[in-house]
Amino acid sequence: GAVVSQHPSRVICKSGTSVKIECRSLDFQATTMFWYRQFPKQSLMLMATSNEGSKATYEQGVEKDKFLINHASLTLSTLTVTSAHPEDSSFYICSAVRVRETQYFGPGTRLLVL
Amino acid sequence: GENVEQHPSTLSVQEGDSAVIKCTYSDSASNYFPWYKQELGKGPQLIIDIRSNVGEKKDQRIAVTLNKTAKHFSLHITETQPEDSAVYFCAASWGSSGDKLTFGTGTRLAVRP
Repeated sequence: GAVVSQHPSRVICKSGTSVKIECRSLDFQATTMFWYRQFPKQSLMLMATSNEGSKATYEQGVEKDKFLINHASLTLSTLTVTSAHPEDSSFYICSAVRVRETQYFGPGTRLLVL
Repeated sequence: GENVEQHPSTLSVQEGDSAVIKCTYSDSASNYFPWYKQELGKGPQLIIDIRSNVGEKKDQRIAVTLNKTAKHFSLHITETQPEDSAVYFCAASWGSSGDKLTFGTGTRLAVRP
């Protein structure tokens, strides 16, 4: 149990376009989901905390108007990178929390902005 | 906020030997310490975790120790195998285990066959 999926696994887009990444908890309900960003050979950096039915809480330095997060149900959260630029190219990872348990991570989405 | 330091950044061991990775944290209120294994191009996978009311936890070849006084915790892998090669991250959080995590900088472990 505790499987988290992400879609797409990789995406290539042109500069200026928007990209949506989905995070789903497949076999449990997640009241909280987290979104991370990871650059090559670096650690995971928390971008935002997403709670079902409420606005996301963004970490300092993360532009909320650029990285739109929606947590519309207990099994789905989405991250939309708006007007993407090459510097947004990164590995985006979500995690989902099962009640009173730890974070379970998705497989990640590799974004390349040309 | 919490700050987690992790050492070493790279570690190479011979197959069958043990590997030890160490982390220190700054916030004495932290009470949950998971370890993750990340293979290339994949998301992190939880391999073991420990809470502040426990000093040591073991799961087959993997063990974690916690020293609350010194604010450090360590991952021990015994009888290493080539498939243990990956990047390992420690993390810390306070509150419930579902609260946000602060990650260490990662250790790239290479197990030589």
